[in-house]
Amino acid sequence: EPEVTQTPSHQVTQMGQEVILRCVPISNHLYFYWYRQILGQKVEFLVSFYNNEISEKSEIFDDQFSVERPDGSNFTLKIRSTKLEDSAMYFCASRYSPGGEQFFGPGTRLTVL
Amino acid sequence: TQLLEQSPQFLSIQEGENLTVYCNSSSVFSSLQWYRQEPGEGPVLLVTVVTGGEVKKLKRLTFQFGDARKDSSLHITAAQPGDTGLYLCAGDPSSNTGKLIFGQGTTLQVKP
Repeated sequence: EPEVTQTPSHQVTQMGQEVILRCVPISNHLYFYWYRQILGQKVEFLVSFYNNEISEKSEIFDDQFSVERPDGSNFTLKIRSTKLEDSAMYFCASRYSPGGEQFFGPGTRLTVL
Repeated sequence: TQLLEQSPQFLSIQEGENLTVYCNSSSVFSSLQWYRQEPGEGPVLLVTVVTGGEVKKLKRLTFQFGDARKDSSLHITAAQPGDTGLYLCAGDPSSNTGKLIFGQGTTLQVKP
């Protein structure tokens, strides 16, 4: 069964460093998302991406964040200068259409020291 | 800001009991999805409800979408220890982008 994959599963970085989180969405899906979940809190929407551009972003998604679909399969989230408060689980998700079922990857645990 | 309120936040029951989890909002959602999440893993989709009043069944789990599409419930019949986990509701607020708004989750513990 097709699934969303994410790498790495765990990333440890120093404050101020850049990180890139990688995702491979389900192959025929057209809409891509990043969410985050701080430990003990609810899953929060960060950004949606369609047709090679950002279609919506939340207040959390400031200038330190960027997304890219560098080729036909990968979808990346970059944090330019990480802060302690960026420590969280980051989930990638994809769906075929806006009203369709949304499938999540297993997540990347980001730890900023 | 659209919010989804889930209740209860924690539920501890004995095997064989029935339970209901509620997901409520003052806003209308075009669809609502229920997920189950294990510690350290991503949410796994259980069901999507789209039509007001819709009822879907998945073995011992029954999902209902409110007539006004502002609320939903998850009912588990004869709970088993394998049902233990975190249950999340997530609504699509009718944006063109299909983003999801999540509830805070219900942690269910079913004791043998």
